[in-house]
Amino acid sequence: AQSVSQHNHHVILSEAASLELGCNYSYGGTVNLFWYVQYPGQHLQLLLKYFSGDPLVKGIKGFEAEFIKSKFSFNLRKPSVQWSDTAEYFCAVNAENQGGKLIFGQGTELSVKP
Amino acid sequence: DVKVTQSSRYLVKRTGEKVFLECVQDMDHENMFWYRQDPGLGLRLIYFSYDVKMKEKGDIPEGYSVSREKKERFSLILESASTNQTSMYLCAMSTQAGTEAFFGQGTRLTVV
Repeated sequence: AQSVSQHNHHVILSEAASLELGCNYSYGGTVNLFWYVQYPGQHLQLLLKYFSGDPLVKGIKGFEAEFIKSKFSFNLRKPSVQWSDTAEYFCAVNAENQGGKLIFGQGTELSVKP
Repeated sequence: DVKVTQSSRYLVKRTGEKVFLECVQDMDHENMFWYRQDPGLGLRLIYFSYDVKMKEKGDIPEGYSVSREKKERFSLILESASTNQTSMYLCAMSTQAGTEAFFGQGTRLTVV
């Protein structure tokens, strides 16, 4: 069965530090990959997505992610975080022929200290 | 603006009650999902539906059922609520291709 694993449960950074959140998935076929963010008290919003093409994907608010097929990974990065990036981040995958079924990782809580 | 509307933000129910969580979408999308969100466990898929009257079990369907009589509405039913079903419940929709999912605000259910 498909699964998604996020390595870090809670990350604490100071403002201006660089961020990398890990995400690995287990599925051998073609996948679509997503990062969602949930700010405190708000609903989940899409940060970025990868379907095909350039494996380096740029999203909103300065986030980017790199798809490395050989490593089954889709890590999220941001060069310099801000206090307003404090949120929970979820990696998600849907696989071809799965009818849009979206499987999520456990989430990573990011706390940015001002 | 795309909208997924969940009927309640907060619910408190007693053990053994039958509970209905309603979700309505305004985009005529085929796919709809119910997840529960628990700290440290992320979002776990309970059920999803890819068309009217069609449903498939997700990863944790036990204790739940669903109903989709109309395309825009997807209901989650707790047949006999238990305290371990206290959680945040999220409804989502997406296109058939699964290009992007849109989420509702969530229903925080407490079973006492």
